[in-house]
Amino acid sequence: ETGVTQTPRHLVMGMTNKKSLKCEQHLGHNAMYWYKQSAKKPLELMFVYSLEERVENNSVPSRFSPECPNSSHLFLHLHTLQPEDSALYLCASSPNLGSYEQYFGPGTRLTVT
Amino acid sequence: AQSVTQLDSHVSVSEGTPVLLRCNYSSSYSPSLFWYVQHPNKGLQLLLKYTSAATLVKGINGFEAEFKKSETSFHLTKPSAHMSDAAEYFCVVSDANAGGTSYGKLTFGQGTILTVHP
Repeated sequence: ETGVTQTPRHLVMGMTNKKSLKCEQHLGHNAMYWYKQSAKKPLELMFVYSLEERVENNSVPSRFSPECPNSSHLFLHLHTLQPEDSALYLCASSPNLGSYEQYFGPGTRLTVT
Repeated sequence: AQSVTQLDSHVSVSEGTPVLLRCNYSSSYSPSLFWYVQHPNKGLQLLLKYTSAATLVKGINGFEAEFKKSETSFHLTKPSAHMSDAAEYFCVVSDANAGGTSYGKLTFGQGTILTVHP
């Protein structure tokens, strides 16, 4: 195990639902990341947090809302999603912003119906 | 700016034969390069990394990669494939050496699916 956990592992939601994805890292890292992995596309960086402050919002629609209450936890709040938002959402952490290595969680497989 | 191109979307080998997964990169600074592996329904696992030290990098599970600046390549190899190597592999470049406001942003290739036949 990598020390980064994500819940739930699978999520099916309608376009009018509100749900949240949770990520927790047990590695003592200071930086956390959300990525989107869609079929046949490279991983896309969505958000970056360092010491609970957002340092990157990579042109992500406002229907995705991140929250980082402390350096160990990262949430992605979802509302009024579209079917094209169906993807694998991966969380990662690194010792600090600018560290070479990032450690990934297993991902949440999201399906929007 | 940085980018990564994985030259093969699928590679198929027989168990016990060599593996070669090709990657070319583009970077305006001295790059850091990585290979990650993703098994079905699992997260990404770091296989190996190059961060401006030795150009031949050894990773886990018998994989290695060689950084060739003149060819802007970072191909992944393994002498003998095992069934458990079947997975998707990602070549990744980081801007951690770019200086300024860089923060170690990872840029991923499209991925190469490795199939291993008995």
